[in-house]
Amino acid sequence: GAGVSQSPRYKVAKRGQDVALRCDPISGHVSLFWYQQALGQGPEFLTYFQNEAQLDKSGLPSDRFFAERPEGSVSTLKIQRTQQEDSAVYLCASSPGQPAYGYTFGSGTRLTVV
Amino acid sequence: AQSVTQPDIHITVSEGASLELRCNYSYGATPYLFWYVQSPGQGLQLLLKYFSGDTLVQGIKGFEAEFKRSQSSFNLRKPSVHWSDAAEYFCAVDLVNSGNTPLVFGKGTRLSVIA
Repeated sequence: GAGVSQSPRYKVAKRGQDVALRCDPISGHVSLFWYQQALGQGPEFLTYFQNEAQLDKSGLPSDRFFAERPEGSVSTLKIQRTQQEDSAVYLCASSPGQPAYGYTFGSGTRLTVV
Repeated sequence: AQSVTQPDIHITVSEGASLELRCNYSYGATPYLFWYVQSPGQGLQLLLKYFSGDTLVQGIKGFEAEFKRSQSSFNLRKPSVHWSDAAEYFCAVDLVNSGNTPLVFGKGTRLSVIA
């Protein structure tokens, strides 16, 4: 597609529920990144993939967070047993891997845990 | 630790006035540098980037930024602000200079524009 698509745009989850957030990157983009943005803060790195390989997951806050990109295109970020502190906007970005082209961000998924 | 600092949390300027948003980074080498803008409820839009060469970089929407190695700074400027520029602005660095590794972001500067 023309841009990075994220779904759903908004998600309200009850505490303890599992959620799955989807990111559809720009076709052909090698790299895919997930960020968490708390209210009033800058994006914080969670994890990233090069094709289907997850190269760095050091930013995932706990083992309740899990990400996958099984075919090297669409990625899913899953949060198990959601807690209130998980409330944030989750941003996805993709890159062709060449610096000149930069990173393209999706509009994000706003997760609210109640 | 490597970091990106945006010293101003919130700036208010009058429409038509000039603007400068500050960004400093803490890193041994010169990273790739970016400025992004985020409108409410939206994702991040790239304004401009610096990789090497001319230290004055032109971007979209009339923005420019100047890289100063001696000050480890990459400040964003605009000569005349429009009301539509009201948004959150983020400075970011690619520490590995690959275009293929995660960006590190500052905490952002919120810009308000008054008539």
